[in-house]
Amino acid sequence: QVQLVESGGGVVQPGGSLRLSCAASGFSFSASGMHWVRQAPGKGLEWMAFIRYHGGTKSYADSVKGRFTISRDNSRNTLYVQMDTLRVEDTAVYYCAVSPSAWRFDYWGQGTLVTVSS
Amino acid sequence: QSALTQPPSASGSPGQSVTISCTGTSSDIGDYNYVSWYQQHPAKAPKLMISEVSKRPSGVPDRFSGSKSGNTASLTVSGLQAEDEADYYCSSYAGSNSVVFGGGTKLTVL
Repeated sequence: QVQLVESGGGVVQPGGSLRLSCAASGFSFSASGMHWVRQAPGKGLEWMAFIRYHGGTKSYADSVKGRFTISRDNSRNTLYVQMDTLRVEDTAVYYCAVSPSAWRFDYWGQGTLVTVSS
Repeated sequence: QSALTQPPSASGSPGQSVTISCTGTSSDIGDYNYVSWYQQHPAKAPKLMISEVSKRPSGVPDRFSGSKSGNTASLTVSGLQAEDEADYYCSSYAGSNSVVFGGGTKLTVL
């Protein structure tokens, strides 16, 4: 069955950096587009970033553009997001999600909590 | 990248039907048939319920249906059951490899 397991969350000070990972299994990772979506405490879902199956196409929400970098290692079936210059408002649960087609998120990980606080 | 507009709350009694709206613009919902709906129970990851406006993934009850008219998409839950109580989010492709979500609707089964 499809499994997406995020890791790397934690507490970081404003201005700091963190790298999240998402280990994928149970589907053809190297053939699937992948996304990061976040959810601030008590708030709604916010799309953050997308990477096409080959890694050659990436896109970002305006709120994270220039600070976050999405990447993938198809040999390791792993998705990443490097988060730099973190702000208090980046505090959220971060989910990875697989999108085989049609801009839908078929499966989601359990999420990893990032807290940006001094 | 403005969020899609959903009502904050909706409610219905068991067995009734409820419809949740999701309003976007001619640059997202109005321009693409890539509207999806997600169900999220407390402290759980979202679950895909509807994709491409009206397609139900395998395993989703046929009580859930989706539609679209112009810049507004809708999710209808028929024959409400207690387990349908959850937050529901719409999303749409918004061009340039981006996606936009709605603010979410809390569905209460009375």
